[in-house]
Amino acid sequence: SQTIHQWPATLVQPVGSPLSLECTVEGTSNPNLYWYRQAAGRGLQLLFYSVGIGQISSEVPQNLSASRPQDRQFILSSKKLLLSDSGFYLCACPSGNTIYFGEGSWLTVV
Amino acid sequence: QKEVEQNSGPLSVPEGAIASLNCTYSDRGSQSFFWYRQYSGKSPELIMSIYSNGDKEDGRFTAQLNKASQYVSLLIRDSQPSDSATYLCAVNPQTGTASKLTFGTGTRLQVTL
Repeated sequence: SQTIHQWPATLVQPVGSPLSLECTVEGTSNPNLYWYRQAAGRGLQLLFYSVGIGQISSEVPQNLSASRPQDRQFILSSKKLLLSDSGFYLCACPSGNTIYFGEGSWLTVV
Repeated sequence: QKEVEQNSGPLSVPEGAIASLNCTYSDRGSQSFFWYRQYSGKSPELIMSIYSNGDKEDGRFTAQLNKASQYVSLLIRDSQPSDSATYLCAVNPQTGTASKLTFGTGTRLQVTL
């Protein structure tokens, strides 16, 4: 089974600063990968998904972008953070017909 | 817009009681259904999956599915304080592959001593 690593686990960033969250997957090759966000009091929102290197689909218009530079690496970025970008960011990878999540990254924009 | 609805709670049950968590979904063509448990500050973890109408039991957990009513539930028997968490219902429109799951907003369960 695959293992999903995310870092950093927690970060506090000022408004207008850049962001880079990283996700790596072990134990599988050529996985589909997902970025979800869970804002306070809200459900899981799918932000991006990728079916392979350089292939990114965006689910919602936003201040964020994603990249897939390597088969098992998925990066979430922003050039200038907004307060509304605060939340819990989860990288996920499917296995069978469901998905499994990494440990998550807590982002607080101040 | 495909939706998955859950009561946000909190649902409070005494230790040892049965906790009943409910979920409805709008996409009648949905094929597979999942329950995730999420402790505060942690990522969701899969605890149950169900694909056919009826009940599926796994230890103290029972998932129930009624596709005609578009309803899926999770029963937790002999509830323990360690069961206190938010439970997310997720629905997959396909079988055999993990497409983009649709999640409910979750029900917060509190098991009291």
